[in-house]
Amino acid sequence: SQTIHQWPATLVQPVGSPLSLECTVEGTSNPNLYWYRQAAGRGLQLLFYSVGIGQISSEVPQNLSASRPQDRQFILSSKKLLLSDSGFYLCAWSRAPIAEAFFGQGTRLTVV
Amino acid sequence: DQQVKQNSPSLSVQEGRISILNCDYTNSMFDYFLWYKKYPAEGPTFLISISSIKDKNEDGRFTVFLNKSAKHLSLHIVPSQPGDSAVYFCAASPGAQKLVFGQGTRLTINP
Repeated sequence: SQTIHQWPATLVQPVGSPLSLECTVEGTSNPNLYWYRQAAGRGLQLLFYSVGIGQISSEVPQNLSASRPQDRQFILSSKKLLLSDSGFYLCAWSRAPIAEAFFGQGTRLTVV
Repeated sequence: DQQVKQNSPSLSVQEGRISILNCDYTNSMFDYFLWYKKYPAEGPTFLISISSIKDKNEDGRFTVFLNKSAKHLSLHIVPSQPGDSAVYFCAASPGAQKLVFGQGTRLTINP
């Protein structure tokens, strides 16, 4: 069966510090991978998605970047965090042509 | 540009009655629609989906209806149970390449 791992579960970082969130998927190959953010009181905003190694699509201009160095690894990064980067970050995977995506447990990021 | 909209941020329903959650979309390229359920501090879990070639899909207490001409879909839960209290997100996909979510509706089931 497929599983998705996302860590850490919570993170408190000072403004201006770097960020690296990692997500890995097990039990499948060549998944579509996604990073979403849920800001307080808001919906799930798609930040990045990837259909293959090294292929990253950015949905919104922002202070974040994503990379996919391996087939089942997706990394969300920032060189300098802003207060507005605080939120609940979710990694997800799906297998085209099936659209259902399966989510990790999320990372609560607080920038102080 | 909000392509998927859930205009009701919250909904309160009596236990045993029907819960109806609504969702509107603007992008005619969407061909697959999904509903997710989310508890606090957890990732969303998939609930039910519907392809654009259908107008109804049923799974136990959950039924999703799609009205393509109105670009509207809805989720019916009947009968509603206390465990159904959660935030519900609708999502849409253009060709299984990505999922675009609405803002969510918080459903509260009252005993």
